[in-house]
Amino acid sequence: NAGVTQTPKFQVLKTGQSMTLQCAQDMNHEYMSWYRQDPGMGLRLIHYSVGAGITDQGEVPNGYNVSRSTTEDFPLRLLSAAPSQTSVYFCASSYSSGVKPQHFGDGTRLSIL
Amino acid sequence: EDKVVQSPLSLVVHEGDTVTLNCSYEVTNFRSLLWYKQEKKAPTFLFMLTSSGIEKKSGRLSSILDKKELSSILNITATQTGDSAIYLCAVPGAGSYQLTFGKGTKLSVIP
Repeated sequence: NAGVTQTPKFQVLKTGQSMTLQCAQDMNHEYMSWYRQDPGMGLRLIHYSVGAGITDQGEVPNGYNVSRSTTEDFPLRLLSAAPSQTSVYFCASSYSSGVKPQHFGDGTRLSIL
Repeated sequence: EDKVVQSPLSLVVHEGDTVTLNCSYEVTNFRSLLWYKQEKKAPTFLFMLTSSGIEKKSGRLSSILDKKELSSILNITATQTGDSAIYLCAVPGAGSYQLTFGKGTKLSVIP
């Protein structure tokens, strides 16, 4: 039972490069989300999705794009990386009926030089 | 805007001590409050408290919701070094799914 799988675990980028962080879940969860975690800031919501084909912005969406073509996958794209996007990124998922605990992936540590 | 404030931000205790972590919240249309434990990687779910379930307990960990004071506490008794982690408190916002997290309490338990 894999749960929520994030790849890669670590990545170093140069300013201006683009990349996609992958997130997949095998629990048939409708709801998926992306957070970033910075020292002293807790987790902040970037984007979320309540089902295939539906996405919306969270608290800190600028510089990131998402899409949800399947229930299982929810990739996060950085179009032009900036040093301010250096962070640890977590993907999470849950059932959407009522408030249910979210299950988190192990995170992607991203450094932008 | 929803707001979650945790205190203290960090705490160092000796094994065997009892600790109390605090979480206060401001949210429109409160539904629940969640506690997570984060060690090196992913936050893992501990408790969810709601209006119909204001007290939860699991082993040495317990949590209480005070809806009047808009707060919650997480108690850990007889702490062990394995309890060392960041403890996160979160509340869902108006959309039910979007969690607003506090900054977390970093607990360090020393032998």
